[in-house]
Amino acid sequence: NAGVTQTPKFQVLKTGQSMTLQCAQDMNHEYMSWYRQDPGMGLRLIHYSVGAGITDQGEVPNGYNVSRSTTEDFPLRLLSAAPSQTSVYFCASSYSFTGNTEAFFGQGTRLTVV
Amino acid sequence: GNSVTQMEGPVTLSEEAFLTINCTYTATGYPSLFWYVQYPGEGLQLLLKATKADDKGSNKGFEATYRKETTSFHLEKGSVQVSDSAVYFCALKGESGGFKTIFGAGTRLFVKA
Repeated sequence: NAGVTQTPKFQVLKTGQSMTLQCAQDMNHEYMSWYRQDPGMGLRLIHYSVGAGITDQGEVPNGYNVSRSTTEDFPLRLLSAAPSQTSVYFCASSYSFTGNTEAFFGQGTRLTVV
Repeated sequence: GNSVTQMEGPVTLSEEAFLTINCTYTATGYPSLFWYVQYPGEGLQLLLKATKADDKGSNKGFEATYRKETTSFHLEKGSVQVSDSAVYFCALKGESGGFKTIFGAGTRLFVKA
């Protein structure tokens, strides 16, 4: 049972480069989300999706795009990397958007922008 | 809007000491409350949760009680082990926040042998 799988685990980018962080879940979860984790700031929501074809912005969406063409996959695209995007990124999924269901997290992608 | 405030860390304890990590929240209505744990190099995983006032969540010797009157959800463990060293996040999810999960800043716990 793979759960939530993120790739890559580590990435170094140069300023201005673009890349896609991959996220896949095999639990048939309706809700998926992307967070970034920075020291002393906890997790901040970047984008989320309540189902295939539906996405919305979170707390810190600037510089990131998402799409949800299937239930399983929810990639995060960095359009033009900046040093301020150096962070650890987590993808999470939940059985449903509403209600009291908990989130399942991937192992994270540590991104450094130089 | 909804928010979660946790005590700042790091917290350093000796093995078998009593642990309390304070968590208070701001939200209208009746959100669900969660504690997540993050071990080094890993993603977060659910530790326990409570979905209504006066509920007690418990798991692996940890427990927390949903206190509506004090808007708190403090995490406690009677006797910590070295293996409990991790970062602990308090979180809430509720209708007033559009059902998005809001996390506290996290509290790092070090347990010494």
